Amino acid sequence: NAGVTQTPKFRILKIGQSMTLQCTQDMNHNYMYWYRQDPGMGLKLIYYSVGAGITDKGEVPNGYNVSRSTTEDFPLRLELAAPSQTSVYFCASSYGQGPGNTIYFGEGSWLTVV
Amino acid sequence: DAKTTQPPSMDCAEGRAANLPCNHSTISGNEYVYWYRQIHSQGPQYIIHGLKNNETNEMASLIITEDRKSSTLILPHATLRDTAVYYCIVRAQTGANNLFFGTGTRLTVIP
Repeated sequence: NAGVTQTPKFRILKIGQSMTLQCTQDMNHNYMYWYRQDPGMGLKLIYYSVGAGITDKGEVPNGYNVSRSTTEDFPLRLELAAPSQTSVYFCASSYGQGPGNTIYFGEGSWLTVV
Repeated sequence: DAKTTQPPSMDCAEGRAANLPCNHSTISGNEYVYWYRQIHSQGPQYIIHGLKNNETNEMASLIITEDRKSSTLILPHATLRDTAVYYCIVRAQTGANNLFFGTGTRLTVIP
């Protein structure tokens, strides 16, 4: 009954370092998403994928990269971390894109860039 | 996508019904109203969604006005565990980039 699993839960990065946030889902969902949430704000879409091998930019993609080599996994890569990327990151997935397809979220990854 | 407007915060006594309003006056005919909530330090949790008719599930009821310009989420018997930020989202029928979160309503259930 895992759903959407994100790792790590917490991470502190130094400016200029790189890292990958891992996300995996076991629901055989086609669609996967990465959101970020800044303090006191709603979620903003970074990247999404409609299936293995297909990714597209969301609202705030700058400074991030993604890949989707399998249906299950959708890692988010931060290159040259900046303080502005300090945020909580949520991975999510859904079976399809229509309104009847509920989007399920992971528990979040807290990232601090110092 | 249509924008939504929600009050920033509300209080509700434990055991009473919590009625959370949402204004979505620019909603299009094919856009659904979704409600999610986010309990502190957790990922958003789906609650309910609807198009025109009122909807009810084990968590809540959704009342949508006839002109679809506003809706109300009802938690019939609020508990302390319902304390969370509630997001009203208007979701387009197509396009993966179609779940826009605003700042939501922070509901505090008071003992």
